[in-house]
Amino acid sequence: EVQLQQSGPELVKPGASVKMSCKASGYTFTDYYMKWVKQSHGKSLEWIGDINPNNGDTFYNQKFKGKATLTVDKSSSTAYMQLNSLTSEDSAVYYCARGDCWGQGTTLTVSS
Amino acid sequence: QIVLTQSPAIMSASPGEKVTLTCSASSSVSSSYLYWYQQKPGSSPKLWIYSTSNLASGVPARFSGSGSGTSYSLTISSMEAEDAASYFCHQWSSYPFTFGSGTKLEIK
Repeated sequence: EVQLQQSGPELVKPGASVKMSCKASGYTFTDYYMKWVKQSHGKSLEWIGDINPNNGDTFYNQKFKGKATLTVDKSSSTAYMQLNSLTSEDSAVYYCARGDCWGQGTTLTVSS
Repeated sequence: QIVLTQSPAIMSASPGEKVTLTCSASSSVSSSYLYWYQQKPGSSPKLWIYSTSNLASGVPARFSGSGSGTSYSLTISSMEAEDAASYFCHQWSSYPFTFGSGTKLEIK
């Protein structure tokens, strides 16, 4: 069974950075791009970017360039997203997704 | 970027009613790269329809998808209570990939 297990909720202060994870199982990790998606306040979805786990190539939404950094660790079949210079506008649920399978989401709250 | 406009934003339907949700694109989208997702409160989105008209695994046959170019739709032939959810269209035909703002479908 294909599964994407995301790391737990995060509460961070404005200006800080956070790195969240997405562990894949049930398939060959390097066979599928991993996408990251932001959902603010239960509203619509924004594509942050994709990463090719095979070679680390990344494709970002211009809106999130400089905000998000996508990486992978092939040895552990885990994808990571780091968000920096956090503000309240970054508070949201962040999903990793393979397209046909999504993680359960990581809730990020940015608050002092 | 390609803007996807979904309508209606909110609708309610009675059990047994036929429902059609639409997704209009600001520029042409390759039908192979137009997907629909279903999301229920507190859950992550689920792939519902891929490549315009193909039902994802486990999706009831009362659902169908159609369209081409800039106009796409998702249809439920006979509404059931379990179909109450939000539905998002998604294009990954061109960068940046985008999602529609969603249609919230409620049961009357």
